[in-house]
Amino acid sequence: TQLLEQSPQFLSIQEGENLTVYCNSSSVFSSLQWYRQEPGEGPVLLVTVVTGGEVKKLKRLTFQFGDARKDSSLHITAAQPGDTGLYLCADRPIQGAQKLVFGQGTRLTINP
Amino acid sequence: KAGVTQTPRYLIKTRGQQVTLSCSPISGHRSVSWYQQTPGQGLQFLFEYFSETQRNKGNFPGRFSGRQFSNSRSEMNVSTLELGDSALYLCASSRGAGVLKETQYFGPGTRLLVL
Repeated sequence: TQLLEQSPQFLSIQEGENLTVYCNSSSVFSSLQWYRQEPGEGPVLLVTVVTGGEVKKLKRLTFQFGDARKDSSLHITAAQPGDTGLYLCADRPIQGAQKLVFGQGTRLTINP
Repeated sequence: KAGVTQTPRYLIKTRGQQVTLSCSPISGHRSVSWYQQTPGQGLQFLFEYFSETQRNKGNFPGRFSGRQFSNSRSEMNVSTLELGDSALYLCASSRGAGVLKETQYFGPGTRLLVL
């Protein structure tokens, strides 16, 4: 059974600071996805990466996928209060199916 | 385009009762998946339906069941509720084409409290 480990579990920083959160898998990712979930809502997809070494940017968010496709990081530059939420990494381990395996998440709080 | 809708949004039940939750996917989406989210276990996959057929099932007891209708709407049922079933139940929909980068869209969830 694939296990996804995210670190840190909790992170609280001041507005304007930079931060990095990590996701490590016990096995090679098939299709790594990062989500953000806000209170009272379902997760919203931020990015999907499938190629080892891939780097994707989404405004102030930078996603890196390890060469061996077993780890990933999410870096946020100049964090804003609107970035507050639960950040989840996930994999789709079964080709052709929709099943997702999630990490426990990093709960991020950006203080004004 | 309307998003994934789940009803009800909140539910309070007592141990031993049963509950049915409903999910309406985005129009044109044929795949619906269900997840349970708890503080201790995080997000865990329950089951996935595509064109009225269960395609995958997670590691949950038989008290958890689901179905999908011809219009792609889905329901999940939990019988003989236990305190540990208190959770946020999330539904996600997608076209179901199975391509690697296909996006799943989550609903806001149904928060179930078992007393």
